[in-house]
Amino acid sequence: DTGVSQDPRHKITKRGQNVTFRCDPISEHNRLYWYRQTLGQGPEFLTYFQNEAQLEKSRLLSDRFSAERPKGSFSTLEIQRTEQGDSAMYLCASSSDPGTGGTEAFFGQGTRLTVV
Amino acid sequence: GESVGLHLPTLSVQEGDNSIINCAYSNSASDYFIWYKQESGKGPQFIIDIRSNMDKRQGQRVTVLLNKTVKHLSLQIAATQPGDSAVYFCAETEGTGNQFYFGTGTSLTVIP
Repeated sequence: DTGVSQDPRHKITKRGQNVTFRCDPISEHNRLYWYRQTLGQGPEFLTYFQNEAQLEKSRLLSDRFSAERPKGSFSTLEIQRTEQGDSAMYLCASSSDPGTGGTEAFFGQGTRLTVV
Repeated sequence: GESVGLHLPTLSVQEGDNSIINCAYSNSASDYFIWYKQESGKGPQFIIDIRSNMDKRQGQRVTVLLNKTVKHLSLQIAATQPGDSAVYFCAETEGTGNQFYFGTGTSLTVIP
């Protein structure tokens, strides 16, 4: 396992279309996070999973956004009816439980979404 | 919500000099802090972390200092190299680390 993997790296879609991104975390990590980053800004928290349970969601996560982690391993982030304002880098990160060691979150390379 | 901010948006240093990047945070309950480096088109890369029960932690060429009294964090990079050119973010979290809050970032440019 070489780290957090995200697919695709780039996605261009027309406004109104649905898109889905995939994240494969570091295998022994049970925590998984989704963040969104726009140009010149730091990453903004979207949602967080502990194993397969989605425990926290940001107010940034509108009802057009849905995330799943069905088996507690990989996760998907779907955006329905995309809008131009959804254009951003979508970052996935994973970490261990605090009780098992470090809590540092390791990030993937991100998926760059462009809505035209 | 929490506010994590950086004092300087850009920093230019000569190769070989030491760099200091600063970060202020507003949540006094934050107890875990991370510095990340992000190169263009890539995800943030973990550099070093520190817990609130410490005031200093050293890594390879990097040192993080935490001043809880004034809610200030700094990253020191020794003998800065061209490969250190990137945007640096500090991130904070409270308790069990369910959510990390990031600042805007400081862009470091190393002049050869």
